[in-house]
Amino acid sequence: AQSVTQLDSQVPVFEEAPVELRCNYSSSVSVYLFWYVQYPNQGLQLLLKYLSGSTLVKGINGFEAEFNKSQTSFHLRKPSVHISDTAEYFCAAGSGNTGKLIFGQGTTLQVKP
Amino acid sequence: DAGVIQSPRHEVTEMGQEVTLRCKPISGHNSLFWYRQTMMRGLELLIYFNNNVPIDDSGMPEDRFSAKMPNASFSTLKIQPSEPRDSAVYFCASSLAYRGEQYFGPGTRLTVT
Repeated sequence: AQSVTQLDSQVPVFEEAPVELRCNYSSSVSVYLFWYVQYPNQGLQLLLKYLSGSTLVKGINGFEAEFNKSQTSFHLRKPSVHISDTAEYFCAAGSGNTGKLIFGQGTTLQVKP
Repeated sequence: DAGVIQSPRHEVTEMGQEVTLRCKPISGHNSLFWYRQTMMRGLELLIYFNNNVPIDDSGMPEDRFSAKMPNASFSTLKIQPSEPRDSAVYFCASSLAYRGEQYFGPGTRLTVT
């Protein structure tokens, strides 16, 4: 069965520092991968997606992620974070054409001044 | 486009009462998903529809929960009777199945006392 593991439940970081949020997936078939962000009391918002093609994907708000098939990873990175990036981040994977996604447990990014 | 619309945004009800949550997906999307989010269990997929047909309801916790999609622009999630442990934020999301990316509504915060 497909699964998504986010390796860190919380990531504290100082403002303007770089950050990496880790995500690993398990699948024996071609997958498509997503990162979502959830701000307090809001729904999930799509940050970026990997469907095919270039393994380096750029998203909104300066975030990017790299698809690594050999390591079955899709880590999210940002070179310099802002206070406003404080939120919950979810990695998700899907396959086939049903549209069903498997979500990780989420990582709380805490940006400190 | 207005995005995914959910109503009500907040619902407070007493144990034993019937609760109906509503969702209007993005026009043209043919897949619809209902999720539940709690601190303890994270984000759980309850049920999803493709072309108005329920495909997988294995995530529905028990028979007290039911969902319908009478047409492409409307879906309901009903809990009857409600219990305090049903308190959570319920999200609706829609997608074009073959692309996989889901768009989430703002959620309904349900409190059962």
